[in-house]
Amino acid sequence: AQSVTQLDSHVSVSEGTPVLLRCNYSSSYSPSLFWYVQHPNKGLQLLLKYTSAATLVKGINGFEAEFKKSETSFHLTKPSAHMSDAAEYFCVVSIHGSSNTGKLIFGQGTTLQVKP
Amino acid sequence: DAGITQSPRHKVTETGTPVTLRCHQTENHRYMYWYRQDPGHGLRLIHYSYGVKDTDKGEVSDGYSVSRSKTEDFLLTLESATSSQTSVYFCASQGDNQPQHFGDGTRLSIL
Repeated sequence: AQSVTQLDSHVSVSEGTPVLLRCNYSSSYSPSLFWYVQHPNKGLQLLLKYTSAATLVKGINGFEAEFKKSETSFHLTKPSAHMSDAAEYFCVVSIHGSSNTGKLIFGQGTTLQVKP
Repeated sequence: DAGITQSPRHKVTETGTPVTLRCHQTENHRYMYWYRQDPGHGLRLIHYSYGVKDTDKGEVSDGYSVSRSKTEDFLLTLESATSSQTSVYFCASQGDNQPQHFGDGTRLSIL
């Protein structure tokens, strides 16, 4: 069965410092993995996705994530945090490992706080 | 972003009343989804649709029904609302080989 665990419910960083949001997954298939961001009172926006191509995935707004099969991890990073990065972030795995048939499993979310 | 609109954006109603939430997409996407978001749970799938009049249950479908009579519209109905259904509801649509695109949500309060 597929599942996803975000290891931190809350992360606080200072502006200009690196961001690391951690995610571990469990999947019976070769997984498709995603990171979404949610700003207050808004829907979810796709940051990046992994679908069995390159293990280092680059997304929007300077974010990237590395798929590590041996560690079953898909951590999200950014070299330098901006105030506008403050939001909730969701790590997501696709059921059946397919990116085009829907049915996603969401992690519980990580709230990123960016201090001036 | 895909053109997805949810209506209403906010609703307050009483226990036992019926409630219908609407999701409208303009991208001709085949797949549509309804989720609820609750603290500590991320998003959980209620129902989804893989075509007109083709729907199936998700993880938390009890107490909810859906209908899809047109490609662009996916309706979520609470036949008799309960306080446990107070939540934020998100709709998403998806084209073939595309990621899901989300609406801005409907905040539903059941008193």
